[in-house]
Amino acid sequence: TQLLEQSPQFLSIQEGENLTVYCNSSSVFSSLQWYRQEPGEGPVLLVTVVTGGEVKKLKRLTFQFGDARKDSSLHITAAQPGDTGLYLCAGQPHSGSRLTFGEGTQLTVNP
Amino acid sequence: ETGVTQTPRHLVMGMTNKKSLKCEQHLGHNAMYWYKQSAKKPLELMFVYSLEERVENNSVPSRFSPECPNSSHLFLHLHTLQPEDSALYLCASSQEDTPTYEQYFGPGTRLTVT
Repeated sequence: TQLLEQSPQFLSIQEGENLTVYCNSSSVFSSLQWYRQEPGEGPVLLVTVVTGGEVKKLKRLTFQFGDARKDSSLHITAAQPGDTGLYLCAGQPHSGSRLTFGEGTQLTVNP
Repeated sequence: ETGVTQTPRHLVMGMTNKKSLKCEQHLGHNAMYWYKQSAKKPLELMFVYSLEERVENNSVPSRFSPECPNSSHLFLHLHTLQPEDSALYLCASSQEDTPTYEQYFGPGTRLTVT
């Protein structure tokens, strides 16, 4: 099983601050997905990255897939309380295979 | 609203009870999944049904028994559970003829075994 390590595990910041969370592995992934899970709900897909070095933007969120396709980062600009949640990364070892999930980063944005 | 519903949202059961979790997807997907989410652990894939056929069973104890009567419905039958089975049980669906198997999750059933 290919493991995904997410860091930090917990992050508490003030509204308006910027932050970056990381998803790392020693293995190569065909694609990587990011999900956000709010309290009392299931994870919701934010983005899928498939090409090494790819950068995708979703409003104030910027996702990057590492050049070697072993790691990914999520950067949030000017965080808002609505960004609070558990951010999960999920990697696909090869196209058409099942996903492996990381443990997640629990983000709290305080007003 | 992700198009995947789960009932009940909360369940408390004793170790000798029998109960069932239900999942329904309204997305027209061809695969459905059960995951277990416990504190401080990655999501654990339990079962996968593709085109209504069970294609994956990740060493899950027999006290968990899945059922997929059609492509839109998935059940997880529970019996003689243990307290360590307390967790959030998530159902998901995806379209498995796309390369990336993006998951659409339901809101989960919070299970407490007493």
